[in-house]
Amino acid sequence: KQEVTQIPAALSVPEGENLVLNCSFTDSAIYNLQWFRQDPGKGLTSLLLIQSSQREQTSGRLNASLDKSSGRSTLYIAASQPGDSATYLCAVSGPRAAGNKLTFGGGTRVLVKP
Amino acid sequence: DGGITQSPKYLFRKEGQNVTLSCEQNLNHDAMYWYRQDPGQGLRLIYYSQIVNDFQKGDIAEGYSVSREKKESFPLTVTSAQKNPTAFYLCASSPSRGSNEQFFGPGTRLTVL
Repeated sequence: KQEVTQIPAALSVPEGENLVLNCSFTDSAIYNLQWFRQDPGKGLTSLLLIQSSQREQTSGRLNASLDKSSGRSTLYIAASQPGDSATYLCAVSGPRAAGNKLTFGGGTRVLVKP
Repeated sequence: DGGITQSPKYLFRKEGQNVTLSCEQNLNHDAMYWYRQDPGQGLRLIYYSQIVNDFQKGDIAEGYSVSREKKESFPLTVTSAQKNPTAFYLCASSPSRGSNEQFFGPGTRLTVL
């Protein structure tokens, strides 16, 4: 059974510092990996999706890497801002035949201090 | 304006009552999903549907039921058999082709009184 872990559970950094968020998964037979942002009491916003054949994806200040063989993904957020404060969740999808179900990590709660 | 809508935003229920949560999407996505989120935790899959008139149980389907009579709608019923229904419920959809990226609605917070 796929298990996804995010460490640390919470992170506090001063504004301007780079953020590094980690995600690990136990079964490397994934279809893709998604990183999401969640603000308190809100739904999830998709940040980046990495297909299993890709090594990384970039969008603005965000960069996500994927090392399928070691079961790891890292989300980098450059030059953090107070508006980046949120919970970040990673999720992996299983084989396509299994309905593209997502298995989520517990999330990392980020606070960027002005 | 394309997207996923969920209603209501907040829902209160007495013990022993069934309630139905609405999820609608106008993205023309084939697949739809229901997740449950408990405080400080990730999401867990309740039910999913890859096509109209078909749905499958997820990891925590006990005490829940769904229907998929239309492509754009995937309502979730929380029955009185669900022992601990207070949670945040999130609906998602994804295309069945291409990236399979999932897109989420704003969620419904259910509280059992």
